[in-house]
Amino acid sequence: NAGVTQTPKFRVLKTGQSMTLLCAQDMNHEYMYWYRQDPGMGLRLIHYSVGEGTTAKGEVPDGYNVSRLKKQNFLLGLESAAPSQTSVYFCASSSGQNNEQFFGPGTRLTVL
Amino acid sequence: RKEVEQDPGPFNVPEGATVAFNCTYSNSASQSFFWYRQDCRKEPKLLMSVYSSGNEDGRFTAQLNRASQYISLLIRDSKLSDSATYLCVGSGTYKYIFGTGTRLKVLA
Repeated sequence: NAGVTQTPKFRVLKTGQSMTLLCAQDMNHEYMYWYRQDPGMGLRLIHYSVGEGTTAKGEVPDGYNVSRLKKQNFLLGLESAAPSQTSVYFCASSSGQNNEQFFGPGTRLTVL
Repeated sequence: RKEVEQDPGPFNVPEGATVAFNCTYSNSASQSFFWYRQDCRKEPKLLMSVYSSGNEDGRFTAQLNRASQYISLLIRDSKLSDSATYLCVGSGTYKYIFGTGTRLKVLA
């Protein structure tokens, strides 16, 4: 089992460019999450999904969109990147509400 | 006030020492609690879940005090490999709230 994987691992964007981060899990988990981690801020929830075809906003959703077309995949999109979106992005999945989360290795994004 | 608060440290301790971290939470509706470990530039990984009755896993002991709304982690006989950041996490409906982490450095 690969667990949770993220693509790409690193990316540099210019302001205004768009990109999609891909998260995939092979544990048949219903719940998936996107976080960003910034120094001194801890992990903050961007969006989450409680099942295929459903998504919901987290704590810091502005500037991001998500889609969960397949149970195993959760995509995070940035339509028009801004320097404030420079961060490390982690995807996670869990088998249920309040259960252990499994994290992907992260994507380091720099927006110039 | 942050929903989950931790002392950021760093805690510098010699090998073999016992070290304890506390974490306080403000949302009394939080249902589950966890300690995660995060190594530099890596993803968080579950260290242990925290139960009201307290639980132990080898050198690690976790406690939850719902009345005072705090969680603790005790590490006995610290190893160099324990050096990491320890994240306290509380969860409620679809929502996990992470503390900013406590840095531990175990010195030879």
